[in-house]
Amino acid sequence: AQRVTQPEKLLSVFKGAPVELKCNYSYSGSPELFWYVQYSRQRLQLLLRHISRESIKGFTADLNKGETSFHLKKPFAQEEDSAMYYCFETSGSRLTFGEGTQLTVNP
Amino acid sequence: DSGVTQTPKHLITATGQRVTLRCSPRSGDLSVYWYQQSLDQGLQFLIQYYNGEERAKGNILERFSAQQFPDLHSELNLSSLELGDSALYFCASSVGQTLNTIYFGEGSWLTVV
Repeated sequence: AQRVTQPEKLLSVFKGAPVELKCNYSYSGSPELFWYVQYSRQRLQLLLRHISRESIKGFTADLNKGETSFHLKKPFAQEEDSAMYYCFETSGSRLTFGEGTQLTVNP
Repeated sequence: DSGVTQTPKHLITATGQRVTLRCSPRSGDLSVYWYQQSLDQGLQFLIQYYNGEERAKGNILERFSAQQFPDLHSELNLSSLELGDSALYFCASSVGQTLNTIYFGEGSWLTVV
């Protein structure tokens, strides 16, 4: 079964520090991967889509097929980055979210 | 604004009752998805419709049902409500069936008392 794993439920960093939110997937084909962000139980907002290779709000994510990972990174975290982050995979007929990582950026 | 509209935003009802949540997808989107987000279980995929037909089914209880109408709006019906059904219910939409970015509505907060 397709799975998306976010090993860290909680991640806390200080403002200005680098941050990496981990995501691993198990789909054996060509995955379609996204990162979504949710601020304070509001709607989920698309942050990144792997095929677009964009940088949004300073975040980037690279698909590593060898490690089956799609980690989200930002070199300098800001307090407004505090939110819940979900890795999402849509290949095939299943639409699979990871369990989410709550990021807290401390002043 | 994602373009996905959900009503009502908040709903409080008693156990055993039935409610209907409504979702209007983004203009041009044919797929509608329903997700449940509760405090203890995270985001759970419930069901997907594509152009009026059920496309994929997740962890949807038998007490719950959904449909997508010809105008592409969708309704999620929750019946015989239990306290544990209290959650944030999200609707999302996308252009196609799979391999598309999906856009979320603001959710409907359901509280069962």
